Amino acid sequence: NAGVTQTPKFQVLKTGQSMTLQCAQDMNHNSMYWYRQDPGMGLRLIYYSASEGTTDKGEVPNGYNVSRLNKREFSLRLESAAPSQTSVYFCASSDQQGVAGANVLTFGAGSRLTVL
Amino acid sequence: KQEVTQIPAALSVPEGENLVLNCSFTDSAIYNLQWFRQDPGKGLTSLLLIQSSQREQTSGRLNASLDKSSGRSTLYIAASQPGDSATYLCAVEDSNYQLIWGAGTKLIIKP
Repeated sequence: NAGVTQTPKFQVLKTGQSMTLQCAQDMNHNSMYWYRQDPGMGLRLIYYSASEGTTDKGEVPNGYNVSRLNKREFSLRLESAAPSQTSVYFCASSDQQGVAGANVLTFGAGSRLTVL
Repeated sequence: KQEVTQIPAALSVPEGENLVLNCSFTDSAIYNLQWFRQDPGKGLTSLLLIQSSQREQTSGRLNASLDKSSGRSTLYIAASQPGDSATYLCAVEDSNYQLIWGAGTKLIIKP
C-alpha cells in the first residue's frame, strides 16, 4: 500500500547511544517532516524538508540531525540519546498545494523510542 | 506565538449519542484548520480540512466548523459508534505554513 513507512517501530537505547530512524514515502511528495509526540502535548516539529536537498529546523531540533537522502527518504539521527528524547516519533510527507493551499500530511505509524 | 488547546482531554459517551469536540487557537491569522484521528499504535489520519475562508466542512457523520474571529473550531460527530473511539487532534496552519497542534481529545464510545 502506498504511504509512509517508518523503521524501527520500537527501540530501547541507553543514554549516550546513537541511532537513526528511517522514513520512506512512495507518493512522490516534495515535503517530509519529523515530529515527536509526548503525553499531554501536541505534536512538535523537529525538522522538515521542503524539497530534496533542503532541510530546516522545526520547533525542537536540539539533539537531532536529519538527512534527506533522496526524494523518498528522510532519516532522523540521535547522536547521543538522552532520557528527554523518550517519545513517539512520527514521520510525515505532504505535497503542499500552493502558497495558501492545504498542507495535508500523510503519516507513518510511528516509532516508539525509550532512552534509559 | 500560536497556541492550540483541546478541551476536554478525554471524553466517554454511550453509543448513539451526538457529540462535540472543541479546539481553540490564540492567533486568528491561520491558513486552515485540520482535524485528525489517531488510533493506538498507528499514525494520524486527516479527517477534515477547513480553509480560512470557509465556515464548515462535512464528511459523512462528521462536521467541522471554524470561527476564526473567536479562535474556535468544533468537530461534531453524529450517531457515535464504538469504531469512533480514538484520539482526535486539531492543527492550524499558521502564517509560516507550519502546523501547530493541540494535544488531542481521547474519545471512548461505550457500546
